[in-house]
Amino acid sequence: AQSVTQLGSHVSVSEGALVLLRCNYSSSVPPYLFWYVQYPNQGLQLLLKYTTGATLVKGINGFEAEFKKSETSFHLTKPSAHMSDAAEYFCAVSEQGAQKLVFGQGTRLTINP
Amino acid sequence: NAGVTQTPKFQVLKTGQSMTLQCAQDMNHEYMSWYRQDPGMGLRLIHYSVGAGITDQGEVPNGYNVSRSTTEDFPLRLLSAAPSQTSVYFCASNRPGLAGGSGELFFGEGSRLTVL
Repeated sequence: AQSVTQLGSHVSVSEGALVLLRCNYSSSVPPYLFWYVQYPNQGLQLLLKYTTGATLVKGINGFEAEFKKSETSFHLTKPSAHMSDAAEYFCAVSEQGAQKLVFGQGTRLTINP
Repeated sequence: NAGVTQTPKFQVLKTGQSMTLQCAQDMNHEYMSWYRQDPGMGLRLIHYSVGAGITDQGEVPNGYNVSRSTTEDFPLRLLSAAPSQTSVYFCASNRPGLAGGSGELFFGEGSRLTVL
């Protein structure tokens, strides 16, 4: 069965600092991996996804993530945090051939001025 | 460009009452799903549908019913509400991704339900 673990329920960084949100997954077959962002009182929207091909994936708003099969990880990074990045971030996994998407517990990102 | 529309946005129920959360999408997506979001637990799949007339259970289906009579609509019914069903509910729709995996999910804005 698939599962996702996000390390750290709350991450706080200063404006302009590196953002690193950690995600590890387990899957018995090659996974599809996603990062979604949720702004207050809104639904989730896709930041980026990995399906096949290049393991470094670029998304919206300057975020990127790298699929590392050997580490079963898909960490999300952004070189320089902006106040507008404050939100909750969810990592998710699905398997090829399966429609179910399994989400991690979420990480709340706070940006300090 | 409405996307995924959920109603109502807020609802308060008493224990034992029943209600239906409505979800409609105008993107002609084959797949629709319902999630509940609880603090510290992320989103958990309740039920999903891969097309009109086809539904299946997710991770936490007990106490909920769904049906999919049209491509556009996917209502979620609470049969006899319990305080444990207090949560924020999200409906999502998507097309299948590569090799049959999940494509990008498009979410509604959520329905906040409180059961007293």
